[in-house]
Amino acid sequence: DTEVTQTPKHLVMGMTNKKSLKCEQHMGHRAMYWYKQKAKKPPELMFVYSYEKLSINESVPSRFSPECPNSSLLNLHLHALQPEDSALYLCASSQNNEKLFFGSGTQLSVL
Amino acid sequence: QKEVEQNSGPLSVPEGAIASLNCTYSDRGSQSFFWYRQYSGKSPELIMSIYSNGDKEDGRFTAQLNKASQYVSLLIRDSQPSDSATYLCAPRYGNNRLAFGKGNQVVVIP
Repeated sequence: DTEVTQTPKHLVMGMTNKKSLKCEQHMGHRAMYWYKQKAKKPPELMFVYSYEKLSINESVPSRFSPECPNSSLLNLHLHALQPEDSALYLCASSQNNEKLFFGSGTQLSVL
Repeated sequence: QKEVEQNSGPLSVPEGAIASLNCTYSDRGSQSFFWYRQYSGKSPELIMSIYSNGDKEDGRFTAQLNKASQYVSLLIRDSQPSDSATYLCAPRYGNNRLAFGKGNQVVVIP
């Protein structure tokens, strides 16, 4: 299994909603990442988990809250988002912090 | 801030021709370099990795690295319409982050 699976593929939420994005990999990778990508821009790193511990937070607003329940799962909890948070949210994993393998992403729209 | 420069203007190539994509980077300490392909509305897909100076070939793709000049390139031979995508250059730097360039958009004209 060489896939990173993300759910849902699409999400529309209001500014007062709470939602969660989910990511799963079964490649035995010990690093997992959240990226945000706006249209026609490169991916921007948000968070990195290494061995289930948060190792990098790129000064992301607290309305985004990551969670790594185990080595295969990564969640991103969303609360009180703004319309400018609308973007493609990408999960990725890697072994030994080398090649990143991306999931198919969640296209998020905040109304 | 780690700088990665890619010519962002669309590159139009006829089908069967060679597409040449260039990338320069600012961090002399970078040792690992990756090229990702991203179709519109899809996620990035790793197509090449290169770690040593010189050329690395994989099918129709060739990556070239020159660390002294801080330059990495990607050649796509026998370009196909399915190669039409944005190609992201991504050097890895000291604290295990990837620095993505803005991407080169390639359009292969049948």
